[in-house]
Amino acid sequence: GAVVSQHPSWVICKSGTSVKIECRSLDFQATTMFWYRQFPKQSLMLMATSNEGSKATYEQGVEKDKFLINHASLTLSTLTVTSAHPEDSSFYICSAREAGQRTHGYTFGSGTRLTVV
Amino acid sequence: AQSVTQLGSHVSVSEGALVLLRCNYSSSVPPYLFWYVQYPNQGLQLLLKYTTGATLVKGINGFEAEFKKSDTSFHLTKPSAHMSDAAEYFCAVSDDYKLSFGAGTTVTVRA
Repeated sequence: GAVVSQHPSWVICKSGTSVKIECRSLDFQATTMFWYRQFPKQSLMLMATSNEGSKATYEQGVEKDKFLINHASLTLSTLTVTSAHPEDSSFYICSAREAGQRTHGYTFGSGTRLTVV
Repeated sequence: AQSVTQLGSHVSVSEGALVLLRCNYSSSVPPYLFWYVQYPNQGLQLLLKYTTGATLVKGINGFEAEFKKSDTSFHLTKPSAHMSDAAEYFCAVSDDYKLSFGAGTTVTVRA
């Protein structure tokens, strides 16, 4: 079946630095990728939707200059947390939708635990 | 607009007992409905989904769910709980563009 690889699984960074998280679809082409943030014991909050070759669409309240999303190919999307601060510490999860699969094909990565110290 | 309400943030069952997780949805278009399971520090794994056709949907690990348009529900059941079923469960609805998740239900299984 469809597999999405997300790296790194966990990362610790210093306050003020930037961190990049990668999301790759391994065996399918993902025209759309989604980035979520999850706080402890809470549901997933959609941050942004990215379509290959175009700018990401951010949800209300999400700072696009802080959370940079790039979806340059049909198999790779990246989320860069810029000038990270402790409040950015969270669990980030990506999801990819296979081309032509409409709603049938949401596949999730394994998540990235970001800790900013 | 679409949304999902999961009734009960925490469910505790005995091993071997029925698992019932409740989900009600709201959607302005015919919904696509999903149940996902999440283990600690991991992503989401699809248990089952309803798109069209048969309203009783069977998924992995012995789970099933029934789509009931009349009461806008998509409850998840498993006849006999196993210790490995302890996890977080999310119901989700899609409008063919993006997923909207419920708040989640934590399942604990007592030996």
